[in-house]
Amino acid sequence: EVQLVDSGGDLVQPGGSLRLSCAASGFTFSNHWMHWVRQVPGKGLVWVARTNGDGTNTTYGGSVKGRFTISRDNAKSTVYLQMNSLRVDDTAVYYCVRSIGFCGGGRCHEFGFDVWGQGTMVTVSS
Amino acid sequence: DIQLTQSPSFLSASVGDRVTITCRASQGIATYLAWYQQKPGKAPKLLIYTASTLQSGVPPRFSGSGSGTEFTLTISSLQPEDFATYYCQHLNFYPLTFGGGTKVEIK
Repeated sequence: EVQLVDSGGDLVQPGGSLRLSCAASGFTFSNHWMHWVRQVPGKGLVWVARTNGDGTNTTYGGSVKGRFTISRDNAKSTVYLQMNSLRVDDTAVYYCVRSIGFCGGGRCHEFGFDVWGQGTMVTVSS
Repeated sequence: DIQLTQSPSFLSASVGDRVTITCRASQGIATYLAWYQQKPGKAPKLLIYTASTLQSGVPPRFSGSGSGTEFTLTISSLQPEDFATYYCQHLNFYPLTFGGGTKVEIK
């Protein structure tokens, strides 16, 4: 069964750090770009970060750039989100996500997020 | 950044109704648009990608259309399990963004 299991969410003080993990199973992990998406309970979805298949290329949303780092360990089929300098407005459920797409002609394009983790809650509060 | 505006933000409908949700992009995104369904307490589920391609396992009462800046998600005959919140998302370039959501409730 194709599955993503998110973990690592916790209560942390403003300015603190936290590392989220996402363990993948049931598919060839290195073949897929991976993302993190967050959602404040009761609000909409916000894309956070993405890494390519071998972890050599990463991209971030503007609100987390310079504070969060996405990485992956293909030997462990795990993707991580290191979150530093956390702020109250980082409070949200964080989802690990697999994307589908294709690469051709020297370019890659993603079509959608077809597998989602169950989400892990991060609360930033004093 | 590309802004995606969904309308309506809230929709009240009955079982069997035909429902249409619109997503407008602030600039052209070709057909790099996906639709998701989210139920309370659950992760979103991919319904449609590349604007009109039905994800495997999704019932054919769901359909998508559009290109450029205007897109629609249609549910041809609303079923009880379809009451949920629906989001569009563009994947044309980074940063990826989502629409604000459309909540479909029982009339």
